[in-house]
Amino acid sequence: DTAVSQTPKYLVTQMGNDKSIKCEQNLGHDTMYWYKQDSKKFLKIMFSYNNKELIINETVPNRFSPKSPDKAHLNLHINSLELGDSAVYFCASSQTGKNTEAFFGQGTRLTVV
Amino acid sequence: GNSVTQMEGPVTLSEEAFLTINCTYTATGYPSLFWYVQYPGEGLQLLLKATKADDKGSNKGFEATYRKETTSFHLEKGSVQVSDSAVYFCALSAGTSGTYKYIFGTGTRLKVLA
Repeated sequence: DTAVSQTPKYLVTQMGNDKSIKCEQNLGHDTMYWYKQDSKKFLKIMFSYNNKELIINETVPNRFSPKSPDKAHLNLHINSLELGDSAVYFCASSQTGKNTEAFFGQGTRLTVV
Repeated sequence: GNSVTQMEGPVTLSEEAFLTINCTYTATGYPSLFWYVQYPGEGLQLLLKATKADDKGSNKGFEATYRKETTSFHLEKGSVQVSDSAVYFCALSAGTSGTYKYIFGTGTRLKVLA
């Protein structure tokens, strides 16, 4: 069983469209994250949810709206897609505590044309 | 603020060569430190971690020691293989209860030649 799974793996869409990425974890963790990886492989945190509550929002444009229906799921909806949104988006989860590691999904490669 | 600095790549080595990838950090308090590896087209996988000063993390022949005095967590491997070719990320975990986040370095691409 995949620990952290994201869908879709690839997403190609036109500028101005709205799209969603889904993430599910079966590890029983209480915290989930979205990270963005740019073309130079730089990873930047976007959001963090702890027990379904938004904890971290790292100055992400409000076109990006995360939603956590329960502790096991964290979805990312993006409105009015722009060329600069093209990147790989990773979902991750962890159990609260600074000594614990994060587990990552396989990533969703978003290409905006 | 909290940050991680790691050496720029790419690093190109011959098989069986010794590997060092440097990583230093800036953090308030005592963060946990991690090395993650990303193979092409895949997500990040934890390679090793250390949670307090002088701890040594090790896995698959890779090692890193948490050095508080030099704020470093350098990754080493005695003899690399072609299959070790990947991007390696140094990271730290920082925050307070319920607000932890993982801060990553810029990644170092390793290419091992047969």
